Amino acid sequence: NAGVMQNPRHLVRRRGQEARLRCSPMKGHSHVYWYRQLPEEGLKFMVYLQKENIIDESGMPKERFSAEFPKEGPSILRIQQVVRGDSAAYFCASSLGVTSAGEQYFGPGTRLTVT
Amino acid sequence: ELKVEQNPLFLSMQEGKNYTIYCNYSTTSDRLYWYRQDPGKSLESLFVLLSNGAVKQEGRLMASLDTKARLSTLHITAAVHDLSATYFCAVVYIQGAQKLVFGQGTRLTINP
Repeated sequence: NAGVMQNPRHLVRRRGQEARLRCSPMKGHSHVYWYRQLPEEGLKFMVYLQKENIIDESGMPKERFSAEFPKEGPSILRIQQVVRGDSAAYFCASSLGVTSAGEQYFGPGTRLTVT
Repeated sequence: ELKVEQNPLFLSMQEGKNYTIYCNYSTTSDRLYWYRQDPGKSLESLFVLLSNGAVKQEGRLMASLDTKARLSTLHITAAVHDLSATYFCAVVYIQGAQKLVFGQGTRLTINP
């Protein structure tokens, strides 16, 4: 059973470009979380999605960031007009659900560098 | 709003010594996790603690949970160099999305 997959693993963008980060959850998981880790810091929650629905986006910056989890295909975190401060590691996690058995399994992360 | 604090943030110790990392959190939760992260890598799940008084051990690491004090500890026994990493505790925010709220991390360096 493959784990959570993220791609690309490393992404370099110039200021003003768009970044698209993809996350394929574990087989059978329909809940996806995105977290951001700035250098030398802990992970911070960004958004929680179920298939075709955004459930909680309280950690997402109000502008330039969006997320989706379509019925078919991976979840995508999109950052428009990137700035240097967006440089970070972005991790996605998936789970079976939100009960006490709903442990989140983390992917390998995408390291975004904005030049 | 749930806040999670770890201390110390940096820990340098010699092989063979014992030490403890502390994790305090501010509001009620039903799950606490400990993770290990090596530089440039993802998170490796070490322990999940579900109830008051829970204690789990794996090799030289032992984690415990006191839900009344809202405190978890990660104890390292007879440290070895391979345990050098950053350790995070994370608490489930039980309202709504069940998101994880992470501590700042403890960077552990074990010197020969």
